[in-house]
Amino acid sequence: AQSVTQLDSHVSVSEGTPVLLRCNYSSSYSPSLFWYVQHPNKGLQLLLKYTSAATLVKGINGFEAEFKKSETSFHLTKPSAHMSDAAEYFCVVSGSYSNSGYALNFGKGTSLLVTP
Amino acid sequence: GAGVSQSPSNKVTEKGKDVELRCDPISGHTALYWYRQSLGQGLEFLIYFQGNSAPDKSGLPSDRFSAERTGGSVSTLTIQRTQQEDSAVYLCASSENRPLEQYFGPGTRLTVT
Repeated sequence: AQSVTQLDSHVSVSEGTPVLLRCNYSSSYSPSLFWYVQHPNKGLQLLLKYTSAATLVKGINGFEAEFKKSETSFHLTKPSAHMSDAAEYFCVVSGSYSNSGYALNFGKGTSLLVTP
Repeated sequence: GAGVSQSPSNKVTEKGKDVELRCDPISGHTALYWYRQSLGQGLEFLIYFQGNSAPDKSGLPSDRFSAERTGGSVSTLTIQRTQQEDSAVYLCASSENRPLEQYFGPGTRLTVT
């Protein structure tokens, strides 16, 4: 079984400062890991994905995440926050194919607040 | 191109009524997933279709829930005798059935009064 734990339910940063959203994963085999973002009253949008290629993954809107097997972590970062980054962020894991296909297991989410 | 569409976007229903939620996946995507997003449970997987078949229905919350997919395209999630705890946003996603990104629809917000 695979799961993810998002270590912070809320993160607040000032505009222009770095963003760090933390995620640890648990998986008995090499997982596929994702970060999704959900803006208020909007659908889920994929930010980036890791599928056993490069460990540093670049996504949209300047976000990055680094897969660290030794730490079982997949933290999301961005050098400089924008007001438009305020949203709910989900760390997600998918395992190998099963009767559930490649069903996604979502973390509880981290709400990012960006202040002027 | 067109993304995943869902209808209705909002549905308010009285307790005990049946509801049908529709998902129209991206053309050519063979895999289709239903998820539920609720305050208490977060985002949880409900059911997966490969083509028209669902290999495992055990993720559905109760036997009041059923889902079907016809023609390898549109899927319908049906909730019979709705209860207040069914209130949630129901999300549909489709993919090419590889461990890559799933594309999500905007969801149907269901409110049971």
